[in-house]
Amino acid sequence: AQKVTQAQTEISVVEKEDVTLDCVYETRDTTYYLFWYKQPPSGELVFLIRRNSFDEQNEISGRYSWNFQKSTSSFNFTITASQVVDSAVYFCALSETHSASYDKVIFGPGTSLSVIP
Amino acid sequence: DGGITQSPKYLFRKEGQNVTLSCEQNLNHDAMYWYRQDPGQGLRLIYYSQIVNDFQKGDIAEGYSVSREKKESFPLTVTSAQKNPTAFYLCASSIEPTRNTEAFFGQGTRLTVV
Repeated sequence: AQKVTQAQTEISVVEKEDVTLDCVYETRDTTYYLFWYKQPPSGELVFLIRRNSFDEQNEISGRYSWNFQKSTSSFNFTITASQVVDSAVYFCALSETHSASYDKVIFGPGTSLSVIP
Repeated sequence: DGGITQSPKYLFRKEGQNVTLSCEQNLNHDAMYWYRQDPGQGLRLIYYSQIVNDFQKGDIAEGYSVSREKKESFPLTVTSAQKNPTAFYLCASSIEPTRNTEAFFGQGTRLTVV
């Protein structure tokens, strides 16, 4: 069965520290997508990244980077030089593509990040 | 600006009442979704619609109903059959099914049973 685990419920860091948010997933499919979303205090989820299962290249976008490792079924997210504006809940999510009719994305429980000034 | 608008932001319901949460989008997206978020849990899919006049149950549809009469609108009714409706409700839309692409979310409605 599909599953997404984010073992870190809450993380606190001091501003300018680096922080890594862990995501481990389970799927039977060979073709799937992984996502990260950010939920700031305002409530809406904001899309950060999508990665398909065939693209294992790590990605960097400004202070954000993602490390995708199929061998360990992990898709970890690192924020470099954290800022107070990074304080939010971060969700990792998984979708499978084997079903032509059922549109489903499985979200992890989220990691609440607090960046202390 | 394009986006998704949910209203109201806060909603209080008495036990036994039905309430309707509004979701409107001006992104011209075909697919729309309703999720429920409880503390410490990820989002769970209630209903989704990939096209006007069609919608499908998600994982936790019991006690909820939806309609999709217009492309822009996907209201969610929380009925009295929903035994534990207190939660944060998020509406989303996407240009194609969210298994393939990013979803855009509204700012949510926090529903409390009083």
